Amino acid sequence: NAGVTQTPKFQVLKTGQSMTLQCAQDMNHNSMYWYRQDPGMGLRLIYYSASEGTTDKGEVPNGYNVSRLNKREFSLRLESAAPSQTSVYFCASIRGRYTGELFFGEGSRLTVL
Amino acid sequence: GIQVEQSPPDLILQEGANSTLRCNFSDSVNNLQWFHQNPWGQLINLFYIPSGTKQNGRLSATTVATERYSLLYISSSQTTDSGVYFCAGLTQGGSEKLVFGKGTKLTVNP
Repeated sequence: NAGVTQTPKFQVLKTGQSMTLQCAQDMNHNSMYWYRQDPGMGLRLIYYSASEGTTDKGEVPNGYNVSRLNKREFSLRLESAAPSQTSVYFCASIRGRYTGELFFGEGSRLTVL
Repeated sequence: GIQVEQSPPDLILQEGANSTLRCNFSDSVNNLQWFHQNPWGQLINLFYIPSGTKQNGRLSATTVATERYSLLYISSSQTTDSGVYFCAGLTQGGSEKLVFGKGTKLTVNP
């Protein structure tokens, strides 16, 4: 089992460019999450998906869109990147239905110039 | 109100010392877990511990769900234990979100 796989691991963008972060899990988990972590700070929830076909906003959704393509995949899109979106992004999944152990991907380091 | 609160925010130890990290969580939070973020940024699962006690080598954790707290014990600390320790839980009733504490930054000096 690969667990939670994120791509790309590193990306440099110019202000205004768009990109999509991909996340896939092979554990048949129901719930998936996108977090961002800024230097010296904890994890802030951007969006989450409690089940296939549903998505909800977290603490910091502005500037992002998400898509739960199927049960395995949950993508995060930056339509017009801004320097404030420079961060490390983590995808995570959990079995869900109010239970289960959380697993993280390795993170994607994004720099917006 | 604060759903998951960790203490202390920072902790500095000499190698070989023991430590206890605490996580308080509100009534709306369950399914406690502990993670270690190493200096390279990786988030590593330590314990999935909704209740009870678990041990893994020099680390152990206890969650007392009825009193809404969890403790992470590190014994005979090593420099490789340095990093940030997070606890997290699932919100109950309605939207199912995973909420994190702000973390405890542990530095173990040789």
